[in-house]
Amino acid sequence: AQKITQTQPGMFVQEKEAVTLDCTYDTSDQSYGLFWYKQPSSGEMIFLIYQGSYDEQNATEGRYSLNFQKARKSANLVISASQLGDSAMYFCAMRAPNDYKLSFGAGTTVTVRA
Amino acid sequence: NAGVTQTPKFQVLKTGQSMTLQCAQDMNHEYMSWYRQDPGMGLRLIHYSVGAGITDQGEVPNGYNVSRSTTEDFPLRLLSAAPSQTSVYFCASSSFQEQLNSPLHFGNGTRLTVT
Repeated sequence: AQKITQTQPGMFVQEKEAVTLDCTYDTSDQSYGLFWYKQPSSGEMIFLIYQGSYDEQNATEGRYSLNFQKARKSANLVISASQLGDSAMYFCAMRAPNDYKLSFGAGTTVTVRA
Repeated sequence: NAGVTQTPKFQVLKTGQSMTLQCAQDMNHEYMSWYRQDPGMGLRLIHYSVGAGITDQGEVPNGYNVSRSTTEDFPLRLLSAAPSQTSVYFCASSSFQEQLNSPLHFGNGTRLTVT
């Protein structure tokens, strides 16, 4: 089974600054998919960004970008120009090939300060 | 477009009671799954289904049953509730068409407390 590690339980960031959320994973597969989700205090799970292991470029979606380092098995999420609405818990997740299940990390809570 | 609908949003049970958490999706997704979320542990997979009539166990299946009689519905049954099942439960679905990069679509969750 895949193991996803998020080592930062909580982080504070100043409004308008960038923040990087760490995610490392353990897999022997060469092909896999990596996902990030946001969970605001209201509780819903919001899909943010996807990175395929064979994608040549790092994924970007608006203010979200993924710093993907395959050799290091890391897929860090970068949120640029933080906003108060970015305060939430963020989960990293992975899917193996020929599988539909997502394995999740423990999550990182981000608090944006005005 | 309703997406994934879970009911109820909140539930309190006494130890030993049984109940069913409902999940329905209107996106014609083949894959459906149930997760539980506990502090510091992320989301852990309970059961999943790849189509009507097909279910399988996830990481933490004990104390839970599922069935998939239709593509749309995937109910989760707690057979005899225990305080350890106090958690937030999420139902999620995804499409097979672009399997590796198809994100899970989540319901809004059910907060269950077992006393």
